Amino acid sequence: AQSVTQLDSQVPVFEEAPVELRCNYSSSVSVYLFWYVQYPNQGLQLLLKYLSGSTLVESINGFEAEFNKSQTSFHLRKPSVHISDTAEYFCAVGMDTGRRALTFGSGTRLQVQP
Amino acid sequence: EAGVAQSPRYKIIEKRQSVAFWCNPISGHATLYWYQQILGQGPKLLIQFQNNGVVDDSQLPKDRFSAERLKGVDSTLKIQPAKLEDSAVYLCASSSKTLSGANVLTFGAGSRLTVL
Repeated sequence: AQSVTQLDSQVPVFEEAPVELRCNYSSSVSVYLFWYVQYPNQGLQLLLKYLSGSTLVESINGFEAEFNKSQTSFHLRKPSVHISDTAEYFCAVGMDTGRRALTFGSGTRLQVQP
Repeated sequence: EAGVAQSPRYKIIEKRQSVAFWCNPISGHATLYWYQQILGQGPKLLIQFQNNGVVDDSQLPKDRFSAERLKGVDSTLKIQPAKLEDSAVYLCASSSKTLSGANVLTFGAGSRLTVL
């Protein structure tokens, strides 16, 4: 079985400050890792993913995440946040057999203040 | 390409009534998922289809929830009778396999159910 823990339910931060949203997972097999973002009254949108290769993955809007196998973590970072980054962020894990659905964490609400 | 379509977007019913949600996945996506997202929580898988066969329905409350995917395309999720704790957003997603074998899910906008 696999599980995901998002350690912070809410992260308040000022605009242009750096931010880190933490995600840890547990799985008995190799994994794929994802970050999804959810804006109010919308579905989940894929932000970035780690499938294989380089452990540092980036999104088009400045977010990055690093897969750390020894620490079973996939933390999401951004060096300078904008008001528009205010949203709920979900970390998700899938097994490398690929057949099963993703398991999601409980989410972290990023609140960017002016 | 067109995204995952869901309807209705919002539904309000009284407990013990029934409700149905519809999902049209991205064309060509063989795998379809229904997730339940209760306010303040992450999405929880209810059922996963591969074409028109069920891969995983272990967390589907089968005494009141049912789902089908006719002809391996559209899907319907039904709740009958509804309980107060069924108030949630019901998210449909579809996926295709990447070259590495991973399932990358694309979600619809969701159907928000309020049970009074």
